Amino acid sequence: DAGITQSPRHKVTETGTPVTLRCHQTENHRYMYWYRQDPGHGLRLIHYSYGVKDTDKGEVSDGYSVSRSKTEDFLLTLESATSSQTSVYFCAISRTSGSEQYFGPGTRLTVT
Amino acid sequence: AQKITQTQPGMFVQEKEAVTLDCTYDTSDQSYGLFWYKQPSSGEMIFLIYQGSYDEQNATEGRYSLNFQKARKSANLVISASQLGDSAMYFCAVSIQGAQKLVFGQGTRLTINP
Repeated sequence: DAGITQSPRHKVTETGTPVTLRCHQTENHRYMYWYRQDPGHGLRLIHYSYGVKDTDKGEVSDGYSVSRSKTEDFLLTLESATSSQTSVYFCAISRTSGSEQYFGPGTRLTVT
Repeated sequence: AQKITQTQPGMFVQEKEAVTLDCTYDTSDQSYGLFWYKQPSSGEMIFLIYQGSYDEQNATEGRYSLNFQKARKSANLVISASQLGDSAMYFCAVSIQGAQKLVFGQGTRLTINP
């Protein structure tokens, strides 16, 4: 199994607070991704990274920012959490841009 | 924009039977990859199988095979000799060359009955 961890695994936070989710990999893969999974919407890409300090937006990036200062870590920040950001967040990694992605265990975030 | 359609929201199959999960995709690109993922009730996303658009043979991985019909833009997953542990959500996804992301379908929930 690919070495991908996410922290925290569960979080409850209040509307308006900032939240940071961490993805850590031990595979030295160049590409990292953040997705959210919601009923009826499948998985949707929030942001991705194609190298250290190289990031780009996905289809649902509003209200989220990311940072990647090291190959192994990719952080997702909700700048001011809203109830619509209650979701399960998955991190994924891949060796190349078109190759299979391996997913972390997910983080369940609840914004009250 | 790329689109993935999985027309079967739910399927029920008897144990040991073969099952086919449908996936059609819409892309104008010539070079792309097709993927299937399994998500059991525990929540993790598990990569199952990959098919490249230029691959002439259908991909196989153990009990999984991908029935790739390029002209029909179809990439169905076939699971042979189904097992109770195959009960899960299954997602089809497509990646486009140069586009650094996967586009996922909405999934099919497969239930294997004993």
